[in-house]
Amino acid sequence: DAGVTQSPTHLIKTRGQQVTLRCSPISGHKSVSWYQQVLGQGPQFIFQYYEKEERGRGNFPDRFSARQFPNYSSELNVNALLLGDSALYLCASSLGTNRPEQFFGPGTRLTVL
Amino acid sequence: QQQVKQSPQSLIVQKGGISIINCAYENTAFDYFPWYQQFPGKGPALLIAIRPDVSEKKEGRFTISFNKSAKQFSLHIMDSQPGDSATYFCAAIHNQAGTALIFGKGTTLSVSS
Repeated sequence: DAGVTQSPTHLIKTRGQQVTLRCSPISGHKSVSWYQQVLGQGPQFIFQYYEKEERGRGNFPDRFSARQFPNYSSELNVNALLLGDSALYLCASSLGTNRPEQFFGPGTRLTVL
Repeated sequence: QQQVKQSPQSLIVQKGGISIINCAYENTAFDYFPWYQQFPGKGPALLIAIRPDVSEKKEGRFTISFNKSAKQFSLHIMDSQPGDSATYFCAAIHNQAGTALIFGKGTTLSVSS
């Protein structure tokens, strides 16, 4: 079975622009979580979605938004990009909110210039 | 309350030696403790995990030791190999109430041949 897939692999944007990152979970997994990983740090939680509903939100500004589609894939949107948004954005999938095992994709490397 | 503290920040071990990474947590509601392995340019991979009702879990060369009273857990890598050179993250989650994995800051392991 395929693992979690993310696109694009790399992205370069300038300050003020908007970006959309995409994630497809493992087949059968209904929950998707997004994390931001700054170089040299552990991943930080941004959002979790389950069955198209937001189930959790981390300490990130409203410039960050996400949604989940009927096929359980997900998009993360970031508006008005700042230099500090440069990071590896990771998507993790799990079977559901009561199953704690989360499996990560390869990430999208976002560079904001 | 949400913090997970990980040490050491970096570790150098000779091939065949034992690598030990330690983590401490504060929130006693955490009930699932995974370890992730991350290679450069890749997403974190779930390595091994433990719940607080057991004191030790072993999978191959990897062992988690868990001390509930001290709120500490550790990863032991036996017979360390150069291929184990990576960054290791401990994490914790309150599965019933939380949706977010709380990560430590990571330990960079180098196994010299």
